[in-house]
Amino acid sequence: EAQVTQNPRYLITVTGKKLTVTCSQNMNHEYMSWYRQDPGLGLRQIYYSMNVEVTDKGDVPEGYKVSRKEKRNFPLILESPSPNQTSLYFCASKGRQGAYEQFFGPGTRLTVL
Amino acid sequence: EDQVTQSPEALRLQEGESSSLNCSYTVSGLRGLFWYRQDPGKGPEFLFTLYSAGEEKEKERLKATLTKKESFLHITAPKPEDSATYLCAVQAANSWGKLQFGAGTQVVVTP
Repeated sequence: EAQVTQNPRYLITVTGKKLTVTCSQNMNHEYMSWYRQDPGLGLRQIYYSMNVEVTDKGDVPEGYKVSRKEKRNFPLILESPSPNQTSLYFCASKGRQGAYEQFFGPGTRLTVL
Repeated sequence: EDQVTQSPEALRLQEGESSSLNCSYTVSGLRGLFWYRQDPGKGPEFLFTLYSAGEEKEKERLKATLTKKESFLHITAPKPEDSATYLCAVQAANSWGKLQFGAGTQVVVTP
């Protein structure tokens, strides 16, 4: 089954403790992206990757890192999480350059205390 | 700067009561406009892509239309299972990777 998977689905952590949220897709997609969703603000793009070793900032990249060493994986790294990073995070992928639809993962709910 | 505004924020409908959602956008050249449906606790699910003014797409009780400044999502004779948050997003012509989302319209359809 074609899908985007994220792990963990739920995470409660404390300020300053480094964490990684993994994202994997099995559709051989070149493009992958991370979003955060907050009430009233909608989905905001954090980082995206056009292909392996090619990443770029979205609208809210501060406090986040990403890497794209393999086509199927696009982990999101929070080196020193803070409470304002408490949010619902989504990973997405799409197959080609251009205006094609993105396929979203199930989401990771992160709480930073 | 690209901007997407959706209205209303929330909509409560009786089953069978048709209505429309609005997505107004400001973008320097449109590569594509997308509609997604999102159920509580789940990732957005793709509905439509619109590329140019005048284009229309349909799927069951949903119909999306596009003008140069806005898009409408028409829900005809809705059923309770159409209850969801509907998201609009735009991709600018000069952007291969960036997608700008609106805040969404939460639709509740009561029997």
